[in-house]
Amino acid sequence: GAVVSQHPSWVICKSGTSVKIECRSLDFQATTMFWYRQFPKQSLMLMATSNEGSKATYEQGVEKDKFLINHASLTLSTLTVTSAHPEDSSFYICSARRGSSNQPQHFGDGTRLSIL
Amino acid sequence: DQQVKQNSPSLSVQEGRISILNCDYTNSMFDYFLWYKKYPAEGPTFLISISSIKDKNEDGRFTVFLNKSAKHLSLHIVPSQPGDSAVYFCAASAPNSGGGADGLTFGKGTHLIIQP
Repeated sequence: GAVVSQHPSWVICKSGTSVKIECRSLDFQATTMFWYRQFPKQSLMLMATSNEGSKATYEQGVEKDKFLINHASLTLSTLTVTSAHPEDSSFYICSARRGSSNQPQHFGDGTRLSIL
Repeated sequence: DQQVKQNSPSLSVQEGRISILNCDYTNSMFDYFLWYKKYPAEGPTFLISISSIKDKNEDGRFTVFLNKSAKHLSLHIVPSQPGDSAVYFCAASAPNSGGGADGLTFGKGTHLIIQP
């Protein structure tokens, strides 16, 4: 199996709050983890790629200081949305991959973030 | 501009028949293609993948065909079963250029409905 757990699944918080989302690979070691974002009626869009022990690589247009990514171990990556505002409300989903780029990514169930 | 396109938002197929889901791409650098299945409130589940060096990959009831010259791939499910009803996403990736970012580019999905 290749199980990825994402927590929390749903968050509602006030504007200005920072929110941390965890992504864990439960039964395998993930050399690379990815964070995606999905707006309504749109496809998943890659935000950033993180390799264990190194800095994340962000896609164009994604603010590094707004979306802090930490990949401290081979089984855990975290995404922190700092000083969240209503426009940050979205569906965030992580994936994990063992090995190289010709291996599939395995996804968590996502986090629905609502900023009031 | 969408690099991965699934032009059919939905598809209805009778149980026992073949389901064919289509996907087109524009980026000639893509070399690895995947199909994911997604149920409501869950993350995408990996189904099957194909490398650009192949034109067919089969796994049980699922077969993926790749036509590189046409930049087209398809997923065949036969025979279709009621449990196959879900949203199916086509995804593709390009070789890691060394910048550390090699995430997936997704289509918008096709909602497959298997009718009893």
